[in-house]
Amino acid sequence: AQSVTQLGSHVSVSEGALVLLRCNYSSSVPPYLFWYVQYPNQGLQLLLKYTSAATLVKGINGFEAEFKKSETSFHLTKPSAHMSDAAEYFCAVSSWRGSASKIIFGSGTRLSIRP
Amino acid sequence: DAMVIQNPRYQVTQFGKPVTLSCSQTLNHNVMYWYQQKSSQAPKLLFHYYDKDFNNEADTPDNFQSRRPNTSFCFLDIRSPGLGDAAMYLCATSRDWLGPEKLFFGSGTQLSVL
Repeated sequence: AQSVTQLGSHVSVSEGALVLLRCNYSSSVPPYLFWYVQYPNQGLQLLLKYTSAATLVKGINGFEAEFKKSETSFHLTKPSAHMSDAAEYFCAVSSWRGSASKIIFGSGTRLSIRP
Repeated sequence: DAMVIQNPRYQVTQFGKPVTLSCSQTLNHNVMYWYQQKSSQAPKLLFHYYDKDFNNEADTPDNFQSRRPNTSFCFLDIRSPGLGDAAMYLCATSRDWLGPEKLFFGSGTQLSVL
């Protein structure tokens, strides 16, 4: 079975500070890992995804994430927070199992940016 | 731009009164999904279509039905909405079935039940 745990339901950082959102996963088969962002009253949009090509994945808006198999982690980072980064962030895991594939979303982390 | 469009943006219905939410896509994707998202929670998959094949999640209430008359459109029918069905309903598409596939989401329909 697959699962995703996002540590911290709410993270607050100052504008210009480092953003670190934590995600740990559990999967018995090689996983595909995703970070999605949801702005207020909108649907989710993909920030980045890991598909085994490279462990450090760069996404949109200056975000990146590193796949660490030994730690079963896929934390999301951004060197310098911007006010426009305030949103809900979801980590997700899936795998290729044909018709039995599932995508499992974490419970989300709300990112607030202090001026 | 190719996209996933949901209508209406906000829907208010009465307890027990059937309601239909709609979703259209211009991406020509094979797979369409319906998710339910309650406040501060992860999206919960209700069902999906792979082309014309309908797949219901085991824990989706019978009260929820779906139709996909063609590639572009998909509908969510709630036969007798209860107060617990108030939520954001998200439609999503993907080119193929999961694995490494990216999901494209609509902006959602916020359903209120009075």
